[in-house]
Formats: sequence, C-alpha cells, structure tokens
Amino acid sequence: GESVGLHLPTLSVQEGDNSIINCAYSNSASDYFIWYKQESGKGPQFIIDIRSNMDKRQGQRVTVLLNKTVKHLSLQIAATQPGDSAVYFCAENMGSSASKIIFGSGTRLSIRP
Amino acid sequence: DVKVTQSSRYLVKRTGEKVFLECVQDMDHENMFWYRQDPGLGLRLIYFSYDVKMKEKGDIPEGYSVSREKKERFSLILESASTNQTSMYLCASSPLTGNYGYTFGSGTRLTVV
Repeated sequence: GESVGLHLPTLSVQEGDNSIINCAYSNSASDYFIWYKQESGKGPQFIIDIRSNMDKRQGQRVTVLLNKTVKHLSLQIAATQPGDSAVYFCAENMGSSASKIIFGSGTRLSIRP
Repeated sequence: DVKVTQSSRYLVKRTGEKVFLECVQDMDHENMFWYRQDPGLGLRLIYFSYDVKMKEKGDIPEGYSVSREKKERFSLILESASTNQTSMYLCASSPLTGNYGYTFGSGTRLTVV
C-alpha cells in the first residue's frame, strides 16, 4: 500500500554535528517530495522540496537526497544548531493534484549542547 | 509576508457545543485543507476544498463539516463537539495545480471537556 514512513522516530545529535533524517516511501508514482519542520506549538514549515527527476537538492544548511531505486528520501542538516530542534516530516505527492500529498509521522530531532 | 491565519491558538469547549474553527489565507490559493494532528497518528486529512463552495472529504470527515464561501476563508465546523475531537487542528493552503508544498497555519489546539 501507499505509505510514507520514517526509519527513526527520534534523533539526538551533538550541537555542531550534521543531522541525517531518513524517510521511506512505497509509491513509485510519487513525483514530488517535501520536508517540513514543526517546532513546538507551531504549524509545519516548508524546508525544502525535490522533484523525482532530481537526486539531490541543496538549500541553506539543508540538503535533500532522493534515491528512487530504494524509494528513500533523506534530509541532511549541516552544523546542527539548537534552533533546529523540532519534528521533521517528509511528505510525498503522487501527482499534480495537491490533494494527494501524504505526510509521514515525523522524526523528533533534539540537540545536545 | 504571505501566510495562513487561524483565528484561535487555543480553545476549550464543552461536549455537545458547536465549534467553528476559522482559517484565512492571503495567497489567492485555490486549495485549502483541514488536518488534525495527534501524537503517534501524524497529520490526518479531515476535509479539503479546491474552489469556493466546493469541498471533498478527506480520511476522517466524521463529526466535521466545512464551509468555503469565499476563496480566502475555509471554516471547519464541529457540529457537536466530543472529547475524542480534542486535538491540534491545522489549516493549510496551496495552488490548484503543480507540485507545490502546503503553507500551514500555526494551528488551533482544541480541548473538549
């Protein structure tokens, strides 16, 4: 069936280290993927997206990698800061219809000082 | 700064009350969505709308209705609030077509007592 899942529900990293958050998807028809960040008490915030014709996309301190062969998506955060503490969601869109976005359950990232 | 605004951050209502959650977006987006977010269950789609006066059921519409009289406003209605509707409610919007992520509001935390 269709699913978007996360390998780890929680992740703890040392401040200054790089963080890697993983996500698996099962629908090979998905052509667009998004990462969201949700801080405590706030709504999800768009971080970065990637289309299925790409393998990698970089933003400011964040990189998303897409491996279509194994249906895997990852979010890398460089030099993790205390402000990066949040729940991170991946989401997939199985077509141009916006109603087809499916969200994963989220990974909580905590930063050790 | 474009945004989605939810009228209340926190609400406490009594069982059986009729509850209105309001959402307004200023991006001229066609699509608008209502989700609820519960620990361990992630984001679940209640209803969405792709045009004024149009609505579609999501995954968990029972106990809810919606209203979209104007393009910028999408209301979620709990006809008779119950304790199992205690949750975080998130509104989002997106353009009608194309691969775009959603823009979320800050959420309304509803407690039904």
